Amino acid sequence: ETGVTQTPRHLVMGMTNKKSLKCEQHLGHNAMYWYKQSAKKPLELMFVYSLEERVENNSVPSRFSPECPNSSHLFLHLHTLQPEDSALYLCASSQDGKRGRNIQYFGAGTRLSVL
Amino acid sequence: GENVEQHPSTLSVQEGDSAVIKCTYSDSASNYFPWYKQELGKGPQLIIDIRSNVGEKKDQRIAVTLNKTAKHFSLHITETQPEDSAVYFCAASKADYKLSFGAGTTVTVRA
Repeated sequence: ETGVTQTPRHLVMGMTNKKSLKCEQHLGHNAMYWYKQSAKKPLELMFVYSLEERVENNSVPSRFSPECPNSSHLFLHLHTLQPEDSALYLCASSQDGKRGRNIQYFGAGTRLSVL
Repeated sequence: GENVEQHPSTLSVQEGDSAVIKCTYSDSASNYFPWYKQELGKGPQLIIDIRSNVGEKKDQRIAVTLNKTAKHFSLHITETQPEDSAVYFCAASKADYKLSFGAGTTVTVRA
């Protein structure tokens, strides 16, 4: 148990659906992250929040919309996705990404399939 | 931005043998290099990391070496066991939010 919990673990959605992924961390960390993991590719950083403020957005399509209501919770709202968005979506948290060792703790991920 | 290349993409070793995974990075300003292990159905977990002021670090059966001049770093697993079978990722960072990951190495330990 890493202290980072993601729900749901699996999600199948149509291209016209709206769904949300949830992440919760119980580690008292200040920074939270969303990554996309596709087969045989490096993890792609999507969004970073520090103290609930978005500090990085790696040119992610607007059909992905993050929300960080407090330092323990992070959401990824999904709408009108494309089949190529099918992947494992990982949430991570870290104590403070700004200095020194940026040890990120990952959740188990949400396996998303877009039909 | 930073570009991390990882080799090999797959590695099969006999139980008890050693495994070595190599990564190169492009940004000479990178100064923090973690290694993550991802088991089936789980997220990546940190197994060892090294900072640029250190050339080698060891933790029981795993070790990491760093060559700043050549901009490459390696993970060494000795006396491999079946539970070492997993996907391993290297990463590089300039001690800020962003970790740039390699594409991963699938390690299989044969009994």
